[in-house]
Amino acid sequence: NAGVTQTPKFQVLKTGQSMTLQCAQDMNHNSMYWYRQDPGMGLRLIYYSASEGTTDKGEVPNGYNVSRLNKREFSLRLESAAPSQTSVYFCASSDRVAGAYYEQYFGPGTRLTVT
Amino acid sequence: GENVEQHPSTLSVQEGDSAVIKCTYSDSASNYFPWYKQELGKGPQLIIDIRSNVGEKKDQRIAVTLNKTAKHFSLHITETQPEDSAVYFCAASIGGAQKLVFGQGTRLTINP
Repeated sequence: NAGVTQTPKFQVLKTGQSMTLQCAQDMNHNSMYWYRQDPGMGLRLIYYSASEGTTDKGEVPNGYNVSRLNKREFSLRLESAAPSQTSVYFCASSDRVAGAYYEQYFGPGTRLTVT
Repeated sequence: GENVEQHPSTLSVQEGDSAVIKCTYSDSASNYFPWYKQELGKGPQLIIDIRSNVGEKKDQRIAVTLNKTAKHFSLHITETQPEDSAVYFCAASIGGAQKLVFGQGTRLTINP
């Protein structure tokens, strides 16, 4: 049981290049999330997927697209990378527990640098 | 929208002493308040959470308290140990509880 896995661990891109960050979970969770983490700003939600086949914008969606490929996998795509997208990206998954609460579990992160 | 403020941003305590981290939130509809610990180079790990129908919850050396009237909640770590050194994040639920808003984080250092 690996939990939430992310690939790659590290990536360096040039401005304008594109790439896809991959995330998979083996906990049979319905909900999945993408966050970015910048110094002094905590974690900010980029996109989330409440269930297979649905996606919604979070707090900072500009410059990103997502695909919920199936229940296990949720990918994040940068179509034209910009230096402002240099960050650490975390994927998380959750499911309903004890009624109306959702415990989120995080992957190990992808450190992205855009030059 | 929901805003979560976390204080202090850095905290240094002697091994064996207690550490307290405080958060305030703005959305009165928030009903779930988790705390995460993040070690260097790793993803955040859920360590404890509290729900709106509870005022306090303990798990060994860590405890969380919630004051819904004042809209603040706190993490208490007693008998601190070097392995408690990490960045801690508080969060509050929004949007039907599936989404979280995070505080800015507290870097806790335990001095031997």
